Amino acid sequence: GAVVSQHPSRVICKSGTSVKIECRSLDFQATTMFWYRQFPKKSLMLMATSNEGSKATYEQGVEKDKFLINHASLTLSTLTVTSAHPEDSSFYICSASRTDYGYTFGSGTRLTVV
Amino acid sequence: LAKTTQPISMDSYEGQEVNITCSHNNIATNDYITWYQQFPSQGPRFIIQGYKTKVTNEVASLFIPADRKSSTLSLPRVSLSDTAVYYCLVGESKGNEKLTFGTGTRLTIIP
Repeated sequence: GAVVSQHPSRVICKSGTSVKIECRSLDFQATTMFWYRQFPKKSLMLMATSNEGSKATYEQGVEKDKFLINHASLTLSTLTVTSAHPEDSSFYICSASRTDYGYTFGSGTRLTVV
Repeated sequence: LAKTTQPISMDSYEGQEVNITCSHNNIATNDYITWYQQFPSQGPRFIIQGYKTKVTNEVASLFIPADRKSSTLSLPRVSLSDTAVYYCLVGESKGNEKLTFGTGTRLTIIP
C-alpha cells in the first residue's frame, strides 16, 4: 500500500529559530501534498495545498511567509516554520495523494517551541 | 465539499459492535463517503470508503442508505485498541481535492 514518511516525529526548538519538516511518499508519486495542523483535542486544520513544481496555495489565515512550503519533486514536500514562537507549537501532519488514488497521511510531527 | 455531522464522543465496552453515524445532507452526486481513524499523536488512517449501499472490509462495514444523506460506520467486536477518533469525510476523492475534517467522533472502549 501507499506509504508516506514524515520526519522528524518530534522536534523541540528555541523561540525565534526555524524548523523544517519533511514529507516523503515512498512508493508512489504524489501529484498533490497537503499540510495540516492539529491542536490538542481538536480536528485537523488544512494549512496549505502544494503541487509539484508550483507555489503552494494557503488557506485563509495561514501566513505564507511563516510557513514555507516547498514541493520540489513528486515524492518530497517540506514545511519550514520560520521564526517559530510558542504559539506555533502543534502537531503537523502531511498528506500525499495522486489523482484517483486516494490520500495517505504521514505519522505527524510534534513541534514544541520553547 | 459536503459538511458532515457526527457525535462528538461515544463509549462502548470491549466485544460490542459499535455504530457511528455521520450526517451529510448536502452530499453531491459524485461524492464518496470515506472514514478515517486517528490514534493520538499519529496521522489519520484510511478505514473504508463507499458510494452507496454497503461496503465491508476486514476492519469495518459501511452502511449507506438510498438517499445517501447519512452513513454508518460499523466496527464489529471492538477491543481497547479501537479507542481513537473517527472522522467521516465526503468528497469526490480524486486526490487533488482538499479534505476538510469535521470534529470527528472520539470513541472510547471500556474494558
